[in-house]
Amino acid sequence: SAVISQKPSRDICQRGTSLTIQCQVDSQVTMMFWYRQQPGQSLTLIATANQGSEATYESGFVIDKFPISRPNLTFSTLTVSNMSPEDSSIYLCSVGELYEQYFGPGTRLTVT
Amino acid sequence: AQSVTQLGSHVSVSEGALVLLRCNYSSSVPPYLFWYVQYPNQGLQLLLKYTSAATLVKGINGFEAEFKKSETSFHLTKPSAHMSDAAEYFCAVSGSTGANNLFFGTGTRLTVIP
Repeated sequence: SAVISQKPSRDICQRGTSLTIQCQVDSQVTMMFWYRQQPGQSLTLIATANQGSEATYESGFVIDKFPISRPNLTFSTLTVSNMSPEDSSIYLCSVGELYEQYFGPGTRLTVT
Repeated sequence: AQSVTQLGSHVSVSEGALVLLRCNYSSSVPPYLFWYVQYPNQGLQLLLKYTSAATLVKGINGFEAEFKKSETSFHLTKPSAHMSDAAEYFCAVSGSTGANNLFFGTGTRLTVIP
């Protein structure tokens, strides 16, 4: 199974600023995913990131707010732009390997 | 379209008692089903998965789940709860394209009472 790390593990940010979250995988993977987990809620898929192509965003999420980069097969970033308190969540990246998804430890973001 | 419903946002059991966490799914195609566990301040860990092979699936930490097509269910069980089982449990479903598009339930928080 893939081992996934995320940076930062947590952050407290001011409203109106942006935060870039990094996701690193220990092996090459085709598909990477970014999820949001709002307090007390389940996971919601933000977008799917494939290397060499634009990310595919789910309904309710837009590239201007959540730009994603996928420069190679082991790395991706998610930026949360122009943050508001409603963006306070845990953001998780995951990788898909056929019948399984493996998740990173998450980034806990608090916006004040 | 795929979706899952987890009955009971909170479940409490005594240590040593049976754990039963309920999950019902809806899918327009043969589903793949998953249970994930999330310990406090950690990411999600795959407990077990059903991918159209055996209907009774055994996972890690003594958990198992049975796929019942007639009931559209995939309930998670463990014969004897341990204190370390206290966590949030998520059921998820994907379509026949594999795990590349997971839909998660709202989660069930399991409390184990000593």
